[in-house]
Amino acid sequence: EAGVAQSPRYKIIEKRQSVAFWCNPISGHATLYWYQQILGQGPKLLIQFQNNGVVDDSQLPKDRFSAERLKGVDSTLKIQPAKLEDSAVYLCASSLVTSGGSYNEQFFGPGTRLTVL
Amino acid sequence: SQKIEQNSEALNIQEGKTATLTCNYTNYSPAYLQWYRQDPGRGPVFLLLIRENEKEKRKERLKVTFDTTLKQSLFHITASQPADSATYLCALDSGYAGTALIFGKGTTLSVSS
Repeated sequence: EAGVAQSPRYKIIEKRQSVAFWCNPISGHATLYWYQQILGQGPKLLIQFQNNGVVDDSQLPKDRFSAERLKGVDSTLKIQPAKLEDSAVYLCASSLVTSGGSYNEQFFGPGTRLTVL
Repeated sequence: SQKIEQNSEALNIQEGKTATLTCNYTNYSPAYLQWYRQDPGRGPVFLLLIRENEKEKRKERLKVTFDTTLKQSLFHITASQPADSATYLCALDSGYAGTALIFGKGTTLSVSS
């Protein structure tokens, strides 16, 4: 079974530039998450999709970050304009949606390391 | 707001010893608590999950305990090996399908031979 794919793996940009990250989840996983992981911290949720609908984007800085999941499969996360504090690893994860009360094991991609200069 | 703490940023032990990592949380009642392993340059990988009504869970050399009264989980690696060196993350899970996890900062374990 193929895992979660992300690209690019690394990106270096200057502040105020824009950048986009791509994620392809495990086939059949309805739920997709984007996390931000700053060095030395645990992953922090940015946005969560179920199929192509947004479930939770309460921690997404909407003035500069946007995300979409067209057709309920691949997803793109965009930052425009980037700030220095956006330097982090952006992780994509997916999980199966099961009936209520089930645990949510998440499968993570390798991440995209973003450096903003 | 919810708070989750892993009390050690780094833990150094000798090969063959038991590593014990701690995860404490406040202002939350998770249905499950999950543990993940993260190697440098990689995404987290699921290791174990323990439910709120379970006291202990084992998988090979790994053991997790969950005390909902203390709001604490302990993660043990017995007979540790240098290959166990990694960052270990605990995560709170509400138990509702499709909800995001709340991760701790992680504890970086180094096992020396």
